[in-house]
Amino acid sequence: EAQVTQNPRYLITVTGKKLTVTCSQNMNHEYMSWYRQDPGLGLRQIYYSMNVEVTDKGDVPEGYKVSRKEKRNFPLILESPSPNQTSLYFCASSTLKASEQFFGPGTRLTVL
Amino acid sequence: QKEVEQNSGPLSVPEGAIASLNCTYSDRGSQSFFWYRQYSGKSPELIMFIYSNGDKEDGRFTAQLNKASQYVSLLIRDSQPSDSATYLCAVKDFGNEKLTFGTGTRLTIIP
Repeated sequence: EAQVTQNPRYLITVTGKKLTVTCSQNMNHEYMSWYRQDPGLGLRQIYYSMNVEVTDKGDVPEGYKVSRKEKRNFPLILESPSPNQTSLYFCASSTLKASEQFFGPGTRLTVL
Repeated sequence: QKEVEQNSGPLSVPEGAIASLNCTYSDRGSQSFFWYRQYSGKSPELIMFIYSNGDKEDGRFTAQLNKASQYVSLLIRDSQPSDSATYLCAVKDFGNEKLTFGTGTRLTIIP
């Protein structure tokens, strides 16, 4: 089944404790992206990648890191999480110039 | 900063009626326009996309684009309770993969 997977789906952590949210797709997509979704603010792009070893900042990159060492994986790293990073995170992927981005199931992160 | 504006709602529509969802965008360079549906607690899923001025129909859904007015809409005919969700408008520039989303309109279909 073609899909985007994210792990973990739910995470409660404390301020300053490094964490990684994994994202993997099995559709051989070049483009991958991370979004966060907050009430009243909608979906905002954090980082994106056009292909392996090619990443760039989105609209809200502060406090986040990403890497793209393999085409299928695009992990999101929070080196020192803070409470304002409490949010619902989505990973998405697509082919280049595609009409549709496919979204993962989401990761709900709470930083205490 | 590119902006995509939607009325947050909630928009309540009787079952069987037409639901009309609207979206405006600020960047005249935007080339592609998308409507995503998001059920509570779930991920967004694409309903329709439109590139050209005019109407595009797919089953009960019709997307309408007016580039001169920078306006895109989604009509849902014969609304069903299963259409109750948040509808996200998104735009993409030519040659750019980035999607810019509106904040979404919450739609409730009343049986």
